[in-house]
Amino acid sequence: GQQLNQSPQSMFIQEGEDVSMNCTSSSIFNTWLWYKQDPGEGPVLLIALYKAGELTSNGRLTAQFGITRKDSFLNISASIPSDVGIYFCAGQPRPGYSTLTFGKGTMLLVSP
Amino acid sequence: NAGVMQNPRHLVRRRGQEARLRCSPMKGHSHVYWYRQLPEEGLKFMVYLQKENIIDESGMPKERFSAEFPKEGPSILRIQQVVRGDSAAYFCASSPLALDSNQPQHFGDGTRLSIL
Repeated sequence: GQQLNQSPQSMFIQEGEDVSMNCTSSSIFNTWLWYKQDPGEGPVLLIALYKAGELTSNGRLTAQFGITRKDSFLNISASIPSDVGIYFCAGQPRPGYSTLTFGKGTMLLVSP
Repeated sequence: NAGVMQNPRHLVRRRGQEARLRCSPMKGHSHVYWYRQLPEEGLKFMVYLQKENIIDESGMPKERFSAEFPKEGPSILRIQQVVRGDSAAYFCASSPLALDSNQPQHFGDGTRLSIL
């Protein structure tokens, strides 16, 4: 089945630093979504991308839908302690396919 | 403006018992999706339902697992004769329309199932 490779697996950074994480696939995805999950809670949608090449921002977060439709990245600028959590990419493999494929997540730790 | 509501938040069962997980979608949402998350893993799709219909159950084990979304009431994920390997977090998501309509899925806080 479809697989998403998410990297890095974990990151430990200082408050104020910028962060970048990405997701790749060997096959085309129709939609890319980025979620954040805090311990004991469900994933919360951060950014949704629907067109190849699309660049979308949400506050300090910026995500792009790769032009090849096989990758996406998420950037967080000027990180703060509350950015700590696990970030997941998720994709819809093709139109009409109504379920999501998830990456394994990037755990972000921010030191004050 | 309640989000997706799942209960219970935590459920402990002994091997061989039944587990029932409930999910009430966001108001106005008629599409429900169930996912399972193992420790340090991403979410894995199990089943997609609309009211009174199972649309896609390709991710759900053929035995012991079943799901429903009745006309009235929450969606139920039922696991019969639970085994230790069923221990996981089970998440429900909902959307107002099918994902294909650019309507992202919104998740509940999950049910953490522990099998003794």
